[in-house]
Amino acid sequence: RKEVEQDPGPFNVPEGATVAFNCTYSNSASQSFFWYRQDCRKEPKLLMSVYSSGNEDGRFTAQLNRASQYISLLIRDSKLSDSATYLCVLLGGSYIPTFGRGTSLIVHP
Amino acid sequence: GAVVSQHPSRVICKSGTSVKIECRSLDFQATTMFWYRQFPKQSLMLMATSNEGSKATYEQGVEKDKFLINHASLTLSTLTVTSAHPEDSSFYICSARGGAESGNTIYFGEGSWLTVV
Repeated sequence: RKEVEQDPGPFNVPEGATVAFNCTYSNSASQSFFWYRQDCRKEPKLLMSVYSSGNEDGRFTAQLNRASQYISLLIRDSKLSDSATYLCVLLGGSYIPTFGRGTSLIVHP
Repeated sequence: GAVVSQHPSRVICKSGTSVKIECRSLDFQATTMFWYRQFPKQSLMLMATSNEGSKATYEQGVEKDKFLINHASLTLSTLTVTSAHPEDSSFYICSARGGAESGNTIYFGEGSWLTVV
């Protein structure tokens, strides 16, 4: 089993839709969790950290389920500009980041 | 917030020459930096972990003699692609981990597009 698994998609949704991505991980010792966004031909940029209690930033909600070893990202009211690849990133005790392969989101008019 | 700067953003070089890419943490000290390579429509692949003041740790399959990494200070790591060939053409990205005060956030450089002709 891969350390971090993401559905590569693409998720093709209309503007205004709500879309959710999951990311499962195998290392129960993972300590920190993040969602990054990567636009085509650009570097990944931090979207949000993920906390056990769940956290929200505007239209984005991230959640962590340690018991089931997954994190999720919910995007409400999708915008065209949300089209990108979303990467989940984990840090374990060694602090070497482990990346998922990313989930591609396409928001269409 | 923390910023990681990478230079050059684009470079074209002739086959057989060497290219150096710099990665700087601008407002924090990074004892560890990471170098990645990404081919089109593929995921980031960790090449090596760069440790300040010591040798880099390379991932399996990455030639240490071809991809020279130097982490001479707490704010600078360099990746040198030696004797570059067209198959080395790729997007190279560095990253650095901020400290506990940043929640151990990983910050990325802007990336460097290498084209070997």
